[in-house]
Amino acid sequence: ETGVTQSPTHLIKTRGQQVTLRCSSQSGHNTVSWYQQALGQGPQFIFQYYREEENGRGNFPPRFSGLQFPNYSSELNVNALELDDSALYLCASSLGQGGRADTQYFGPGTRLTVL
Amino acid sequence: AQSVTQLGSHVSVSEGALVLLRCNYSSSVPPYLFWYVQYPNQGLQLLLKYTSAATLVKGINGFEAEFKKSETSFHLTKPSAHMSDAAEYFCAVSVRDMRFGAGTRLTVKP
Repeated sequence: ETGVTQSPTHLIKTRGQQVTLRCSSQSGHNTVSWYQQALGQGPQFIFQYYREEENGRGNFPPRFSGLQFPNYSSELNVNALELDDSALYLCASSLGQGGRADTQYFGPGTRLTVL
Repeated sequence: AQSVTQLGSHVSVSEGALVLLRCNYSSSVPPYLFWYVQYPNQGLQLLLKYTSAATLVKGINGFEAEFKKSETSFHLTKPSAHMSDAAEYFCAVSVRDMRFGAGTRLTVKP
């Protein structure tokens, strides 16, 4: 069984640029959640997708957007990058409709540095 | 609003000593609670979760946690620390999304 994978591992961008991060769900999982983890902090929820539809969103501006594809893989897009966007971006997949009891399985993350 | 508070950003124990990592939650509905571990430069790994069944939950690597409604706590324990337990530990409450605490860094001294 393949776990959650994310690409790229590391990324360096400059302020104002756009970035796309990718995530492949664990086999059979239909729900994907994205989190931002700033240095020294816990992960913060960005949004969740269930069967290609956004299924919840945290307190992040519209320049953070996402997609989920028919194979349940997902992308996180961030436009107009700011210095504070520098963080580890984590993707998590789960089986279900995003219910409270669902266990989320995390990928290794993408480390984004904005200069 | 649902949230968790982890008491102590850093905990240091000797190898073989008891590990106790504290987590208190706030929830307006019966909570679902999780403990995750994060090793350096890695994602989060589930240690255990509470979903309103048994109040004492056993997880991987010898960890367990006890749900205490009267104290709104879900502390993580391990009877005997191992060097490999050194990592960052996160408590989380599931609302619809997962809300994490700030984390506790566990150091294990030889």
